[in-house]
Amino acid sequence: EDQVTQSPEALRLQEGESSSLNCSYTVSGLRGLFWYRQDPGKGPEFLFTLYSAGEEKEKERLKATLTKKESFLHITAPKPEDSATYLCAVPKAQGAQKLVFGQGTRLTINP
Amino acid sequence: GAGVSQTPSNKVTEKGKYVELRCDPISGHTALYWYRQSLGQGPEFLIYFQGTGAADDSGLPNDRFFAVRPEGSVSTLKIQRTERGDSAVYLCASSLGGPKNTGELFFGEGSRLTVL
Repeated sequence: EDQVTQSPEALRLQEGESSSLNCSYTVSGLRGLFWYRQDPGKGPEFLFTLYSAGEEKEKERLKATLTKKESFLHITAPKPEDSATYLCAVPKAQGAQKLVFGQGTRLTINP
Repeated sequence: GAGVSQTPSNKVTEKGKYVELRCDPISGHTALYWYRQSLGQGPEFLIYFQGTGAADDSGLPNDRFFAVRPEGSVSTLKIQRTERGDSAVYLCASSLGGPKNTGELFFGEGSRLTVL
């Protein structure tokens, strides 16, 4: 069964304290892995798509990496405005238009 | 409009009532999706439209749920005989369909449904 698991569920950091979020997936024939950011009361906002192991994408203080079994979202020197829930998702093996989302990591950056 | 628009933003109803949730996608996006998100969980797929037709409705939980997109733009999610377990945020997303589809979904802010 296609499955996405994110860890940790919640993470509190001090401003400037770098860390990584994990997304493990099981799906046959990966057709991409997506990272989204979701602020409270808002819909998810697209961040990155990764397609193959070894690929990396960067945006400001965020860098996403992909291996054959998991993806990491590295956050470097975070600021309070980086506080949000970060979601990863993969297309289902059967029906690639359906995204399977993890439960998210709730990130809080304290000033 | 510039983004995906969903109405109402909040809906409180009583158990057994009928509810309609509306989604207005980004102009030019042929693909439209409905997801449901419960508190503390990631979005869960409900249905996908390519144009006017429901290309995949395998995520609809039961026959109380139905969605339409009659002109290939605005979509309405309809829930009959609502139950307390239907309480969630219903998210709509759109994307470029066909060969231009990058897989990136543009989400609306959601309709929060509360069934008392």
